[in-house]
Amino acid sequence: GEDVEQSLFLSVREGDSSVINCTYTDSSSTYLYWYKQEPGAGLQLLTYIFSNMDMKQDQRLTVLLNKKDKHLSLRIADTQTGDSAIYFCAEGHLSGGYNKLIFGAGTRLAVHP
Amino acid sequence: DGGITQSPKYLFRKEGQNVTLSCEQNLNHDAMYWYRQDPGQGLRLIYYSQIVNDFQKGDIAEGYSVSREKKESFPLTVTSAQKNPTAFYLCASTGVLPSGANVLTFGAGSRLTVL
Repeated sequence: GEDVEQSLFLSVREGDSSVINCTYTDSSSTYLYWYKQEPGAGLQLLTYIFSNMDMKQDQRLTVLLNKKDKHLSLRIADTQTGDSAIYFCAEGHLSGGYNKLIFGAGTRLAVHP
Repeated sequence: DGGITQSPKYLFRKEGQNVTLSCEQNLNHDAMYWYRQDPGQGLRLIYYSQIVNDFQKGDIAEGYSVSREKKESFPLTVTSAQKNPTAFYLCASTGVLPSGANVLTFGAGSRLTVL
């Protein structure tokens, strides 16, 4: 079945790089997404990558996709305290005419001085 | 500003009561979704609607009901049949970016607590 897995917790020092990893099982995914959730808030789209790409860079964010291994990662350069949040990986594909997204459980990123 | 508005942000319910969560969007999106979020778990799809007057069950629809009378509005009713309704509820809608990617835009969420 469809499944998305990610580690639940990551702690990094301010100024270091953070790498959040995700694995998925559905080979028919069209897009893969990273969303950010701050406490008590909804999810905010950070970035996404089309399934035929292997890398995408957007300012401090770098997404790497290994389609063969079904592995997705999000690297945040120069991590700041404002980056502390839960990060959700999601894979998406069209199912029954609608855009179906399967979310991982989220990785809680804690940034300390 | 375009976006999704959910209300109320916090809601307390006694057991046996139905409650309705509001979701309004001014993004002109056709498709709307309701998700449930529990601590340490990913989002689970409750219901979705692709057009007005049509909606489909998601993965965990039991104990919930929805309506879609207007394009802008997709309210969710949590009925007394839902055995464990305490959770964070997120409404979303789908838009297409210039790149062609379908992305979900989320509201700020509603936290329901059953006393």
